[in-house]
Amino acid sequence: EPEVTQTPSHQVTQMGQEVILRCVPISNHLYFYWYRQILGQKVEFLVSFYNNEISEKSEIFDDQFSVERPDGSNFTLKIRSTKLEDSAMYFCASTPMRGQSTDTQYFGPGTRLTVL
Amino acid sequence: AQSVTQLGSHVSVSEGALVLLRCNYSSSVPPYLFWYVQYPNQGLQLLLKYTSAATLVKGINGFEAEFKKSETSFHLTKPSAHMSDAAEYFCAVSEANFGNEKLTFGTGTRLTIIP
Repeated sequence: EPEVTQTPSHQVTQMGQEVILRCVPISNHLYFYWYRQILGQKVEFLVSFYNNEISEKSEIFDDQFSVERPDGSNFTLKIRSTKLEDSAMYFCASTPMRGQSTDTQYFGPGTRLTVL
Repeated sequence: AQSVTQLGSHVSVSEGALVLLRCNYSSSVPPYLFWYVQYPNQGLQLLLKYTSAATLVKGINGFEAEFKKSETSFHLTKPSAHMSDAAEYFCAVSEANFGNEKLTFGTGTRLTIIP
C-alpha cells in the first residue's frame, strides 16, 4: 500500500539554525499538508499546498516557515531560524482530492525536531 | 471556526471490556469527522470517518462511531478491547465539503488496556 514517507525521523539542531524537513507524498496525490505536534499537545495544522502554492496557512506559519515542492515527488518544510518552541513532531500529509466525500488525509510517520 | 473536544485525556479499560472514547465537535457548517489512531513512535492512521452518509460509521480493527448532530458528538466505541488497542486516539473535524479541508484535532485520548 502506498504511504507517505518523511526524512529524517529525528533532527537535532541549534537555535537559530535553518532546518529542512522532507516528505514524499503518495504519488498520485495533489494536496499536501504540514501539521505539528508539540510534546503532550494536540496536532496543529500549519499549512496546505496545492498546485505549487499555499492554499491556507495557520497563525503558526509565520515568515520563518516556508514550503516548497522542488520536484515531482518531494514536499519540504523549511524553518529559517529555529527557536526552542519549534521543537515538535512534524507530520506531512497528502490527499488525492479536495472537498470530496472520499477525501482522507494520509499521514507520514513524522519528523521529531529538537531545537537546543 | 471548527473545534473538537475530547473528554478524558486518559482512559483505561480491561481487556474484553467496552471501549468508549468521547468526542464533541463545533462547526459552523456540516462537518466531516474523523478518528485517527497513533501508536508509539508512529504516524497518524485513519480509523474511520463520517462524510454525511450513514451516521453509524464502521472502521478498522472493530471500531465504530456514531454521528449525532443533536448532541454534536462523534464518540468512538469498540465492544471488546484488545491489548493491541493501546494507543493515542485523536478526533478531528474538517469542513472539506465547503473547501476547507484542514483538520482540526482534539487533544487526544490515551487508551490503556488492563490485562
